[in-house]
Amino acid sequence: RKEVEQDPGPFNVPEGATVAFNCTYSNSASQSFFWYRQDCRKEPKLLMSVYSSGNEDGRFTAQLNRASQYISLLIRDSKLSDSATYLCVGALLSGGYNKLIFGAGTRLAVHP
Amino acid sequence: NAGVTQTPKFQVLKTGQSMTLQCAQDMNHNSMYWYRQDPGMGLRLIYYSASEGTTDKGEVPNGYNVSRLNKREFSLRLESAAPSQTSVYFCASSTRRPRANTGELFFGEGSRLTVL
Repeated sequence: RKEVEQDPGPFNVPEGATVAFNCTYSNSASQSFFWYRQDCRKEPKLLMSVYSSGNEDGRFTAQLNRASQYISLLIRDSKLSDSATYLCVGALLSGGYNKLIFGAGTRLAVHP
Repeated sequence: NAGVTQTPKFQVLKTGQSMTLQCAQDMNHNSMYWYRQDPGMGLRLIYYSASEGTTDKGEVPNGYNVSRLNKREFSLRLESAAPSQTSVYFCASSTRRPRANTGELFFGEGSRLTVL
């Protein structure tokens, strides 16, 4: 079982739609979580951190459910420019460093 | 603002050849990392460096060597390339020590390596 699992998608949604991605993690010792965005053939970039209390950044809302070991990302009012792959990342202190465990990503395609 | 710069961006090698991927960052970051990204898999850490002169193995270090000669530069060397090393390689840096990493990594644009 992968340590961080995501539905690969693609999620095909029209502009203006609300879309949600979930991500599950297997190691309950994971301490913090993040969402990264990766455009096609580009490098990943940090989108937002995920806190237990949930956090919002404009149209993006991230939630963490430690009891069920999943993280979610909600995108409201989708834009064409939101089309990308979204990587779920867990951080775990392991072997002397804060190990970042990347999911394989969920692809989002927003169409007109 | 250059950020993290990797060279080369593309490379084709034959099995058994050697090569070095170069990475430089101009953000005065302490920590640097090398990842590989393969289809259907998450980014996997090859090696990391908490500071100049120190390096440590990550999840998939076999077949690779690294060198952190100064704070800016962190190179990745394939001594004898194998087809299994066909991948996209990303260099990254962060301002925090690896033990206190906040999770924000700044990535280079990637190096696409094909080993025939």
